[in-house]
Amino acid sequence: DAGVIQSPRHEVTEMGQEVTLRCKPISGHDYLFWYRQTMMRGLELLIYFNNNVPIDDSGMPEDRFSAKMPNASFSTLKIQPSEPRDSAVYFCASSGQTSNQPQHFGDGTRLSIL
Amino acid sequence: AQKVTQAQTEISVVEKEDVTLDCVYETRDTTYYLFWYKQPPSGELVFLIRRNSFDEQNEISGRYSWNFQKSTSSFNFTITASQVVDSAVYFCALSSSTGANSKLTFGKGITLSVRP
Repeated sequence: DAGVIQSPRHEVTEMGQEVTLRCKPISGHDYLFWYRQTMMRGLELLIYFNNNVPIDDSGMPEDRFSAKMPNASFSTLKIQPSEPRDSAVYFCASSGQTSNQPQHFGDGTRLSIL
Repeated sequence: AQKVTQAQTEISVVEKEDVTLDCVYETRDTTYYLFWYKQPPSGELVFLIRRNSFDEQNEISGRYSWNFQKSTSSFNFTITASQVVDSAVYFCALSSSTGANSKLTFGKGITLSVRP
């Protein structure tokens, strides 16, 4: 079975540019999560969706960040405008619908904002 | 509020040694779930195990074993006869059962280096 697929794997862009990260969850999973990992703050949950609906976006750092899930097989995380402090590894994860099923993670997108 | 503490930040052992990674958690919920994830140098996060708060049985999977003790709020992970391939960052995580699926709270991770 295909796992969670994220693209791109690496992104290097200049400050001020719009960045779009993409995620395809595991087929049949009803929950999708976006995380950010940095040395200073570790793994932080940014937002999660259930059946394509955002449930908790309290971890989204600022209005510059937005996430959408237009259908069950695709989600995006956008940063506009990007800043150097947004540099991090961004992970997408998905899980099944029963309570507290394990989250399965994609390989991550390593984002560098110059 | 939920909290996961992994007091050990870095551990270095020689191959074939046993090593235990500690995890202490805090929650006010009576029903909760505990997880361990492995992050090898390649960067992906790999799910290892999930336990619920009502199941205190220890679990063994090959060289891996987990010791869950509610009395001390700990969920420790032991690797027996460690191998170089075990070198990774290991995360302990906690979620409550409120709602259909709750957020994972991660510890800071433990970097394990296994030297040949």
